[in-house]
Amino acid sequence: DTEVTQTPKHLVMGMTNKKSLKCEQHMGHRAMYWYKQKAKKPPELMFVYSYEKLSINESVPSRFSPECPNSSLLNLHLHALQPEDSALYLCASSHAGQAYGYTFGSGTRLTVV
Amino acid sequence: GIQVEQSPPDLILQEGANSTLRCNFSDSVNNLQWFHQNPWGQLINLFYIPSGTKQNGRLSATTVATERYSLLYISSSQTTDSGVYFCAVGRGWNTDKLIFGTGTRLQVFP
Repeated sequence: DTEVTQTPKHLVMGMTNKKSLKCEQHMGHRAMYWYKQKAKKPPELMFVYSYEKLSINESVPSRFSPECPNSSLLNLHLHALQPEDSALYLCASSHAGQAYGYTFGSGTRLTVV
Repeated sequence: GIQVEQSPPDLILQEGANSTLRCNFSDSVNNLQWFHQNPWGQLINLFYIPSGTKQNGRLSATTVATERYSLLYISSSQTTDSGVYFCAVGRGWNTDKLIFGTGTRLQVFP
């Protein structure tokens, strides 16, 4: 299995809703990432988990809450989002330490209304 | 922080043409990767190339780390090559953080 699977593919949520994005990989990668990508911009790193521990938080607002329940799963919990948080949210995984074998999921396109 | 600039920002080609995409970075790196984002948003890893030259079919890449640039060559381009090409760099021997460049948007017409 050489894929990173993200669900859902599309999500529309209100500003008072709570939702979660899910990401799964079975490549034995021990580093997992969340990126945010706005239209016509490069991906921006949000969080890095290395060996199931949060190693990097790029000063992301607390309305985004990551979770890594085990080495194969990564979640992003969303609460009280703003319309400007609408974007493509990408999950990726790689071998830890050198980011070798970086593999992206197909993303969740989030719209906040 | 490190700056990663790509050129050209936009490129329009006819099928069969060759092209060279450039990635300049402002500080030393020990991790450099090239990605292709297709029109549906999927990012595909093309090369892991912190230094040297690699080839994969019609694509090849060269990184000259001492001069802080990398080049991606696309030969005999096809319409399926359309999309955005990103280089991404990382620093340090124990970090998983990649900084993405500004991207080159490529359109290949039949």
